[in-house]
Amino acid sequence: DAMVIQNPRYQVTQFGKPVTLSCSQTLNHNVMYWYQQKSSQAPKLLFHYYDKDFNNEADTPDNFQSRRPNTSFCFLDIRSPGLGDAAMYLCATSNRVDSNQPQHFGDGTRLSIL
Amino acid sequence: AQSVTQPDIHITVSEGASLELRCNYSYGATPYLFWYVQSPGQGLQLLLKYFSGDTLVQGIKGFEAEFKRSQSSFNLRKPSVHWSDAAEYFCAVKAAGNKLTFGGGTRVLVKP
Repeated sequence: DAMVIQNPRYQVTQFGKPVTLSCSQTLNHNVMYWYQQKSSQAPKLLFHYYDKDFNNEADTPDNFQSRRPNTSFCFLDIRSPGLGDAAMYLCATSNRVDSNQPQHFGDGTRLSIL
Repeated sequence: AQSVTQPDIHITVSEGASLELRCNYSYGATPYLFWYVQSPGQGLQLLLKYFSGDTLVQGIKGFEAEFKRSQSSFNLRKPSVHWSDAAEYFCAVKAAGNKLTFGGGTRVLVKP
């Protein structure tokens, strides 16, 4: 089935040690999103790519970066994770920016910081 | 700016009973509205969406939602809840640039 796949499902890293989360999609959608979701909270948009065009949210910390080498893959890089970055990270895709198409979510990566 | 409010943080319902989750939105134009469900440790699954037309929208898993412009509401309902419906439910509105604004979520607990 076409879907959004996030790897790994669980990631543990050390305080300050860079970590990369990955997302792939078989939907051939041109928009990919990264959300951060802390416990008992709604997802918070970090940034999104429209094709190769990167769009950062104004309040996303500089510690968070993203790469999209091709249509299918998108990566979230956390350069120096702090304890406050422990969260679920969700990847989503959609067909076009200005359309009525819903976003399709992956199952997320739960990040723990030691 | 758009916003979404889900007044109920937790709802407990008995299996087989009906369920209604409230959602109120604030948005200047005709909104695109969504309900997503999130089971523990999982991502968000789309239940249903409203763009225009019929104000009563049918979704998956037996859920429906009704758009009421006069009340700025988009409440989710299910006539008979199953134990597998225990999850967190998020209402969301889509604004310009395809960005979703989520409500705070409602956690549903199902009693046997």
